[in-house]
Amino acid sequence: EAGVAQSPRYKIIEKRQSVAFWCNPISGHATLYWYQQILGQGPKLLIQFQNNGVVDDSQLPKDRFSAERLKGVDSTLKIQPAKLEDSAVYLCASNERGTEQFFGPGTRLTVL
Amino acid sequence: SQQGEEDPQALSIQEGENATMNCSYKTSINNLQWYRQNSGRGLVHLILIRSNEREKHSGRLRVTLDTSKKSSSLLITASRAADTASYFCATDLSFGNEKLTFGTGTRLTIIP
Repeated sequence: EAGVAQSPRYKIIEKRQSVAFWCNPISGHATLYWYQQILGQGPKLLIQFQNNGVVDDSQLPKDRFSAERLKGVDSTLKIQPAKLEDSAVYLCASNERGTEQFFGPGTRLTVL
Repeated sequence: SQQGEEDPQALSIQEGENATMNCSYKTSINNLQWYRQNSGRGLVHLILIRSNEREKHSGRLRVTLDTSKKSSSLLITASRAADTASYFCATDLSFGNEKLTFGTGTRLTIIP
């Protein structure tokens, strides 16, 4: 069974530039999550989708972050403009209701 | 904000010894899960314990949950070099609202 796919694996940008991350969840998983993990900390949920609807985006900095999940499958997370404090690993996860979450390998973002 | 806190923050033991990590959380939960994260990789699910369970085993892993103390422990027996990783506890609040809130993590190092 294929796992959660993410791309790119690494990205280096300068502050004020924009960047986008892509996630393809496990086939059949209705729920998709984006987490931000700053070095030395645990992951923090940014946004949760159920199919193509947003369930929770309370911790998403909406002035600069946006996410979409068109057709309830793939998802993209965008940052525009990026700040130095956005340097982190961005993790995508998916699950079926009531089961554990499966995580992708993450995208390591460095903002210079 | 972090729901849980792991203790200790870092742990070094000899290969073959047992490793115990603790997690405390703040609010009532539905499930508590433990994840492992190898350096630079995504998170791997280890074990899920429901709020009405007190103990669960999976291979060399043993998890306990004390909801009255809002705490959990993860025991890894007969540790191996491959167990070197960061370990996180994560909680969700209710069935159907499976947003995970992660702790700060324990960095485990197994000395060969």
